[in-house]
Amino acid sequence: DTAVSQTPKYLVTQMGNDKSIKCEQNLGHDTMYWYKQDSKKFLKIMFSYNNKELIINETVPNRFSPKSPDKAHLNLHINSLELGDSAVYFCASSRQGENYGYTFGSGTRLTVV
Amino acid sequence: ILNVEQSPQSLHVQEGDSTNFTCSFPSSNFYALHWYRWETAKSPEALFVMTLNGDEKKKGRISATLNTKEGYSYLYIKGSQPEDSATYLCASDNYGQNFVFGPGTRLSVLP
Repeated sequence: DTAVSQTPKYLVTQMGNDKSIKCEQNLGHDTMYWYKQDSKKFLKIMFSYNNKELIINETVPNRFSPKSPDKAHLNLHINSLELGDSAVYFCASSRQGENYGYTFGSGTRLTVV
Repeated sequence: ILNVEQSPQSLHVQEGDSTNFTCSFPSSNFYALHWYRWETAKSPEALFVMTLNGDEKKKGRISATLNTKEGYSYLYIKGSQPEDSATYLCASDNYGQNFVFGPGTRLSVLP
């Protein structure tokens, strides 16, 4: 029973395409996140979202948008993909407000060619 | 956005050695400090969450301390084993909104 699952695990696509990465959690957590692992292996926050509020890191290009059809899902849509978008993207979830740690998905390696 | 730093960047130790590494974070508006263990090709796994100055947490051979006044946390591993090889991440809770991760310390334990 995977707690936080991301699909696909690998995604290779051409520049200019639009793609989505899906994330689902079955933990009953109320907050979900997207992180990007950059070229230096840092994990950088992109979005955090609960059913009340979307918090966006202002450095994230507006080609990236999160979509949450319900509390258990937070999908990442990327328009007009660029070479620099190649990275590993991690989804995570947590229970808000009680110093719970995050539970991470296994990551999606996106390669733009 | 907070700035979280970790040192050293990487570390090689012999099996059986004890080791420690540092996480430093802004001490103002401290909320919580988290440690994660991240093995290659897997996702980060939570080790500790620490909130109070002077906190000490322990899990098996791994322990951590917290100093919120000066803005640092130490992670200790006693009697390192090859299976301890991983990247150890710390993360400072960004005012309860999200975590800001440090760059990690990559530990290699040589048999």
